[in-house]
Amino acid sequence: EAGVAQSPRYKIIEKRQSVAFWCNPISGHATLYWYQQILGQGPKLLIQFQNNGVVDDSQLPKDRFSAERLKGVDSTLKIQPAKLEDSAVYLCASSSRTRTDTQYFGPGTRLTVL
Amino acid sequence: AQSVTQLGSHVSVSEGALVLLRCNYSSSVPPYLFWYVQYPNQGLQLLLKYTTGATLVKGINGFEAEFKKSETSFHLTKPSAHMSDAAEYFCAVSREAAGNKLTFGGGTRVLVKP
Repeated sequence: EAGVAQSPRYKIIEKRQSVAFWCNPISGHATLYWYQQILGQGPKLLIQFQNNGVVDDSQLPKDRFSAERLKGVDSTLKIQPAKLEDSAVYLCASSSRTRTDTQYFGPGTRLTVL
Repeated sequence: AQSVTQLGSHVSVSEGALVLLRCNYSSSVPPYLFWYVQYPNQGLQLLLKYTTGATLVKGINGFEAEFKKSETSFHLTKPSAHMSDAAEYFCAVSREAAGNKLTFGGGTRVLVKP
């Protein structure tokens, strides 16, 4: 079984530019999560999808961050415009309908904002 | 609200010695508890989890953890450290009623000395 895929693995941009990250969850997994992991800290949930609907986006900075999961499979997370403090690893995770208590993580996208 | 505290951001152990990583949580209802490991430039890998039942949980790579409700703790142990155990370890808590979103501790980086 293929794991959670994310791309790109690394991205360097200048502040005020825009960037997008892509996530492909494990096949059949209904729930998808995006986490932000700042260097030296634990991951923090940004947004949670159930199929193509948003379950929780209370920690998402909506003035600059957006996310979508149009067909209930792949998801994209966008930042526009980026700030220096957005430098972090963005992790995508997914869980199945039958084992909602266990999340499987992708390798992450490391974003550096200069 | 739930929170996780990991005591010690860095732990150094000798190869063959006991590994003990401490985790305390705060939750208004019985939580699900997790330990994840993160190797450099990789995503999070699940080591073990507690949801219900036996409070001593065995995971991969020889790790185990014990849920102690009275102490609100979920410490991770391994009897004999191996060089390959050098990584960062995260304790996390979730609740089914909160959509199973994970709240992570700050992480503990383990260094294994030969």
